[in-house]
Amino acid sequence: KAGVTQTPRYLIKTRGQQVTLSCSPISGHRSVSWYQQTPGQGLQFLFEYFSETQRNKGNFPGRFSGRQFSNSRSEMNVSTLELGDSALYLCASSLGGGGAPPLHFGNGTRLTVT
Amino acid sequence: GENVEQHPSTLSVQEGDSAVIKCTYSDSASNYFPWYKQELGKRPQLIIDIRSNVGEKKDQRIAVTLNKTAKHFSLHITETQPEDSAVYFCAASNTNQAGTALIFGKGTTLSVSS
Repeated sequence: KAGVTQTPRYLIKTRGQQVTLSCSPISGHRSVSWYQQTPGQGLQFLFEYFSETQRNKGNFPGRFSGRQFSNSRSEMNVSTLELGDSALYLCASSLGGGGAPPLHFGNGTRLTVT
Repeated sequence: GENVEQHPSTLSVQEGDSAVIKCTYSDSASNYFPWYKQELGKRPQLIIDIRSNVGEKKDQRIAVTLNKTAKHFSLHITETQPEDSAVYFCAASNTNQAGTALIFGKGTTLSVSS
């Protein structure tokens, strides 16, 4: 099976712009989660989607949003970019049913805001 | 909400020695505890996980122990090898909540020298 695919791998944006990141989960996985990874804060949960519905959300401002499509692919959007948004954004997928995950991560999108 | 603390932040061992990484969590409702290994420039990969109804789990040179009363869980790596060098993250989550969110520790950088 193909793993979790994230595009693009790298992005450079300017403050104030917006950006959209894409994630294709492992085939058959219906849950997609997004995490922000920075050297100072580690891995922080952004949100989780299952069957096109956001089921859980972390403590991030409303500038961070996401959605999931009927084929389970997900996109994450960050509007009005700030320097502090520079990070590695990781997508993870899981079957999404009851019980323990596990989550399988993609290689991430490295976002640099200048 | 849940908070996970991880110690130590860095760990240096000689090849063949054992390594132990410890985590504590705050939310007694957490029932799933995975460990991820992240090599430089790569995605986090699940190496072992444990559920709250189990006290210990082993997979070859890796073992995880869980003390629910003390809210501690630990990763034990025996006979370390240079390829074990990486950043290790512990995490906790409550899988009874819809949209499981993994709350991660800040990570431990393990260096194994030959």
